[in-house]
Amino acid sequence: DTEVTQTPKHLVMGMTNKKSLKCEQHMGHRAMYWYKQKAKKPPELMFVYSYEKLSINESVPSRFSPECPNSSLLNLHLHALQPEDSALYLCASSQDAGGREFFGPGTRLTVL
Amino acid sequence: RKEVEQDPGPFNVPEGATVAFNCTYSNSASQSFFWYRQDCRKEPKLLMSVYSSGNEDGRFTAQLNRASQYISLLIRDSKLSDSATYLCVVIGDYGGSQGNLIFGKGTKLSVKP
Repeated sequence: DTEVTQTPKHLVMGMTNKKSLKCEQHMGHRAMYWYKQKAKKPPELMFVYSYEKLSINESVPSRFSPECPNSSLLNLHLHALQPEDSALYLCASSQDAGGREFFGPGTRLTVL
Repeated sequence: RKEVEQDPGPFNVPEGATVAFNCTYSNSASQSFFWYRQDCRKEPKLLMSVYSSGNEDGRFTAQLNRASQYISLLIRDSKLSDSATYLCVVIGDYGGSQGNLIFGKGTKLSVKP
């Protein structure tokens, strides 16, 4: 299995909603990442987990809360988002932090 | 400070053309280098790693010049399916043992019949 999967593919939420994005990989990778990508821009790193511990938080607002329940799963909990948070949220994994990354298909999020 | 800079696009080329993309990076301690391609509304996919000795994969050739902090990607005999945005990616070194991907803004390639 050489895939990173993400659910849901699309998500529409209001500013008062609480939702979660999920990411899963079964490649035995020990580093997992969340990126945010706006249209016509490159992905922007949000969080890095290495061996299930948060190692990088790129000054992301607290309305985004990552969680790594185990080495295969990565969640991103969303609460009280703003319309400007609408974007494609990409999950990626790599063998170890600093290695080449494999991306999931992303969740396209719209905040109304 | 732009850590990874790429040629501004878009590149519009006919099928069969040879096209070259360039990329420069600012952090001399950078460890690893890649080209990713991203199709519209899809995730980035690793195209190839880039080594100092240069590497070739079919119609694609990547080159790294550490002294000039410069990376290139050459595509020969362009196909319609090569149309995509090509992202130059550098793994930084910010102290400690971990790096993370730093993306260039991407160069859009459009191959026309």
